[in-house]
Amino acid sequence: KNEVEQSPQNLTAQEGEFITINCSYSVGISALHWLQQHPGGGIVSLFMLSSGKKKHGRLIATINIQEKHSSLHITASHPRDSAVYICAVVVTSGSRLTFGEGTQLTVNP
Amino acid sequence: ETGVTQTPRHLVMGMTNKKSLKCEQHLGHNAMYWYKQSAKKPLELMFVYNFKEQTENNSVPSRFSPECPNSSHLFLHLHTLQPEDSALYLCASSQEWAGTSGNNEQFFGPGTRLTVL
Repeated sequence: KNEVEQSPQNLTAQEGEFITINCSYSVGISALHWLQQHPGGGIVSLFMLSSGKKKHGRLIATINIQEKHSSLHITASHPRDSAVYICAVVVTSGSRLTFGEGTQLTVNP
Repeated sequence: ETGVTQTPRHLVMGMTNKKSLKCEQHLGHNAMYWYKQSAKKPLELMFVYNFKEQTENNSVPSRFSPECPNSSHLFLHLHTLQPEDSALYLCASSQEWAGTSGNNEQFFGPGTRLTVL
């Protein structure tokens, strides 16, 4: 079993819908990252958080340390949001980075 | 030029070739990373350099040899690769090493798409 699990693996939505992507982890962490990878490979860091909630534009990330769970929300989704969203954690034991398998999001017009 | 750049963007090589991937960051960061992304697999961290010193080597085969001459440049030297090494190789940097509790937000380069024949 992976230390970082994302759900769903694939998600298709209509433009304008509210989207939630989930990340659960089974280890102690010092930080969690949400990354966005567009076709062609380029990766952009969206959020780094260790507690609470962060918001950038239409994107919101939350983390619950006790429940070992984080969510990425996209409000008023748009076709340009179509990408793979990756959750990564900094594991406190060994200070290593571990990645989830990613969620492929497709937003249709 | 700003951000993290990688060259070449695409590389095709035979199993007996020797080639090098280059990464350069213009962000004043102290930590740099090499990642491998194979088809339908999660990102795999290969190497971490913090202040030019290698701090992590995730059991990477010796046919991959990293070099960090200064905090702005990172190389990945490749020799006698196998077809299964074909993948997207991504470089990233962060102000501080991701293993610390400091500013470890990572900035990624566009990647090098490597094909080993």
